[in-house]
Amino acid sequence: EPEVTQTPSHQVTQMGQEVILRCVPISNHLYFYWYRQILGQKVEFLVSFYNNEISEKSEIFDDQFSVERPDGSNFTLKIRSTKLEDSAMYFCASSEDPRYSEQYFGPGTRLTVT
Amino acid sequence: AQSVSQHNHHVILSEAASLELGCNYSYGGTVNLFWYVQYPGQHLQLLLKYFSGDPLVKGIKGFEAEFIKSKFSFNLRKPSVQWSDTAEYFCAVIYSGNTGKLIFGQGTTLQVKP
Repeated sequence: EPEVTQTPSHQVTQMGQEVILRCVPISNHLYFYWYRQILGQKVEFLVSFYNNEISEKSEIFDDQFSVERPDGSNFTLKIRSTKLEDSAMYFCASSEDPRYSEQYFGPGTRLTVT
Repeated sequence: AQSVSQHNHHVILSEAASLELGCNYSYGGTVNLFWYVQYPGQHLQLLLKYFSGDPLVKGIKGFEAEFIKSKFSFNLRKPSVQWSDTAEYFCAVIYSGNTGKLIFGQGTTLQVKP
């Protein structure tokens, strides 16, 4: 069964450093998403992406965050200057349709900012 | 504001007991409703979904959920749980006008004792 993959599984970085989290969505999917879950809190939507553009973003997704589909397979989330409060599990997801199909989630990247 | 709440944070049951997990969403017009499950060490995966039609939907592994529009609820049920149902369960909603943005409840940890 096709699956969404994410790398790395765990990233430790110092405050102020840039990080790039990588995702490979399911190949025939057109809609891509990033979510995050801070320990003990809800899974929160960050951004949706379609046709090489951001479709929607949350208030969390400020100028420190960016997303990109640099080639036909990868989907990346960049955090320009990490803060302690960015420590969380980051999930990538993809789907065929934004409302009427299942979103398939990757295993997540645990980001620890020290 | 668009929000989802799950009433039970941690549920402990014995095998063969019946399960009902509550989920309510805030009013916001047309919604698409989902239950996701995360087994220990695994990805978030879809249990079931509701878009329209019969408000009683059946999912994988013997789970079902009932959409009650008047109560803004989408409760998850299973008549007889197994030890393998130990997992975290998330209710999630896509509101009309959102481009695939899933809004999650806080999750319920289910522990089934053998």
